[in-house]
Amino acid sequence: EAQVTQNPRYLITVTGKKLTVTCSQNMNHEYMSWYRQDPGLGLRQIYYSMNVEVTDKGDVPEGYKVSRKEKRNFPLILESPSPNQTSLYFCASSLGLRNEQFFGPGTRLTVL
Amino acid sequence: GENVEQHPSTLSVQEGDSAVIKCTYSDSASNYFPWYKQELGKRPQLIIDIRSNVGEKKDQRIAVTLNKTAKHFSLHITETQPEDSAVYFCAAHNFNKFYFGSGTKLNVKP
Repeated sequence: EAQVTQNPRYLITVTGKKLTVTCSQNMNHEYMSWYRQDPGLGLRQIYYSMNVEVTDKGDVPEGYKVSRKEKRNFPLILESPSPNQTSLYFCASSLGLRNEQFFGPGTRLTVL
Repeated sequence: GENVEQHPSTLSVQEGDSAVIKCTYSDSASNYFPWYKQELGKRPQLIIDIRSNVGEKKDQRIAVTLNKTAKHFSLHITETQPEDSAVYFCAAHNFNKFYFGSGTKLNVKP
């Protein structure tokens, strides 16, 4: 089944404790993105990747890192999480830039 | 960067009526405009999209129109049904990035 998976789905952590949210897709998509969703703000793009080893900042990259060592995986790294990073995070992938983006199920992160 | 504004933030219609959601964008270089539907507790899913070389696109009860001169695009849902109730997001693609509107919560009353 074609899908985008994310883990964990829920995470409660404390300020400063490094964490990684994994994202994987099995559709051989080139374009992958991370978004955060906050009430009243819609979805905001954090980072995106055009292909393996090609990543770039989205609209709100501060406090986040990503890597793309394999085509299928695009982990999101918070090296020192802060409470303002409490949010719902979505990973997405698409065949190309102007193709349908398929979203993962979301990761609800709470930073205390 | 690009700025996408979406209106209204909430919309309530009677079943069978039409619903229209409008978005404006600021950068004329934006060239692809998808619309996503997000049901409560679920992930966003694409419902329709339009590229900048097209003025209108229709898929059954859903249509999108694009006015490049005015830099606005709209989602039209006809013959609304209760299962259309959800939050709808517009987006604009600009230089490899996506910019989303703040969402419209559509409530279709039976």
